[in-house]
Amino acid sequence: DAMVIQNPRYQVTQFGKPVTLSCSQTLNHNVMYWYQQKSSQAPKLLFHYYDKDFNNEADTPDNFQSRRPNTSFCFLDIRSPGLGDAAMYLCATSWTGGVREKLFFGSGTQLSVL
Amino acid sequence: GENVEQHPSTLSVQEGDSAVIKCTYSDSASNYFPWYKQELGKGSQLIIDIRSNVGEKKDQRIAVTLNKTAKHFSLHITETQPEDSAVYFCAASIARSGGGADGLTFGKGTHLIIQP
Repeated sequence: DAMVIQNPRYQVTQFGKPVTLSCSQTLNHNVMYWYQQKSSQAPKLLFHYYDKDFNNEADTPDNFQSRRPNTSFCFLDIRSPGLGDAAMYLCATSWTGGVREKLFFGSGTQLSVL
Repeated sequence: GENVEQHPSTLSVQEGDSAVIKCTYSDSASNYFPWYKQELGKGSQLIIDIRSNVGEKKDQRIAVTLNKTAKHFSLHITETQPEDSAVYFCAASIARSGGGADGLTFGKGTHLIIQP
């Protein structure tokens, strides 16, 4: 009964080869976030969707894009991965009713760049 | 923007003892402070949170304290058990009543090790 599902758990890509990470949710939350977490560092917000509205963090590189085709799915596209993009990518959701700040995280996708 | 500092980065305690993790934040407008537990291979889970209108909140063995003047908040775990071993993240955000969603700013995490 996983609520925020990220696939795959581990992803290996080559330097410069586009890669897509996926996230799905069964919570019907209207907000979905993507975080990047490098080893021994804090999760860093890349961007989030509030319904269909895309909100990019100011320091998120252009190399990172996102798509949200419907409420349940959100994708993270890395157009030309560099070695520095190797990290754990975390998807999270929240909703704007009640305790809207509470985040529900997926188990993450560990991205390796060769 | 907000900056959250978390200490220590690693904390080892004997089973049954208490553990305390401390965080400071920089933006005085922040008013929501959650703590997340990240276990290997699992998604992070919210374990407790506190809002700026209270100074302390407790849930069984877990408590959080907030000092708005000093801009710091702490996680307290009493009677630690092996299953408490995990990485704990503090975070801060500004909860807006008018709608809109703001991402959390996280600390770097504390690896809590419970020694049997």
